[in-house]
Amino acid sequence: KQEVTQIPAALSVPEGENLVLNCSFTDSAIYNLQWFRQDPGKGLTSLLLIQSSQREQTSGRLNASLDKSSGRSTLYIAASQPGDSATYLCAVHRGTYKYIFGTGTRLKVLA
Amino acid sequence: EAQVTQNPRYLITVTGKKLTVTCSQNMNHEYMSWYRQDPGLGLRQIYYSMNVEVTDKGDVPEGYKVSRKEKRNFPLILESPSPNQTSLYFCASSLSGTSPYEQYFGPGTRLTVT
Repeated sequence: KQEVTQIPAALSVPEGENLVLNCSFTDSAIYNLQWFRQDPGKGLTSLLLIQSSQREQTSGRLNASLDKSSGRSTLYIAASQPGDSATYLCAVHRGTYKYIFGTGTRLKVLA
Repeated sequence: EAQVTQNPRYLITVTGKKLTVTCSQNMNHEYMSWYRQDPGLGLRQIYYSMNVEVTDKGDVPEGYKVSRKEKRNFPLILESPSPNQTSLYFCASSLSGTSPYEQYFGPGTRLTVT
């Protein structure tokens, strides 16, 4: 059974720091992996989608990597800003129409 | 504007009173899905639909029903709500459930069952 873990559960950093969020999954047979951002009381906003054949994707200050063999994905945020404060979720697409989410990392960037 | 909408956004109800949460998307997506989000458990998939009239169970389908009569709509039905169904519910859609297309999420419906 696929399990998705995100560590740490919460993280506080000063503004300007580069940081890495982790996502681990137990079954490497994934279709793709998607990173989301969730603001309090709001829905999920898609950040990056990495297909199983890709190693990384970049969008602005965000870079997501995928290593299927080790069951890991990382989300790198460069030069963090207070506006980056949110909960970050990763979701693994198992192919058969099903998605498994991690429990998220709550990020706070201090001004 | 491309979006997924849900109604209502907030709902307080009593045990056993049937309710429906609506979900609609305007992107002509084939795939739609319902999730619930609970503290410490993350998002869990309730039901999904691959296309009109085609639905299947996710990981936590007990106590829920869905239907997909039109491509744009995918309502979630709680026939007899119970307090353990108090949760934050999200609807999502994607162009296809078998291809690497991203999911788009609605704003969420916060349900409280007393």
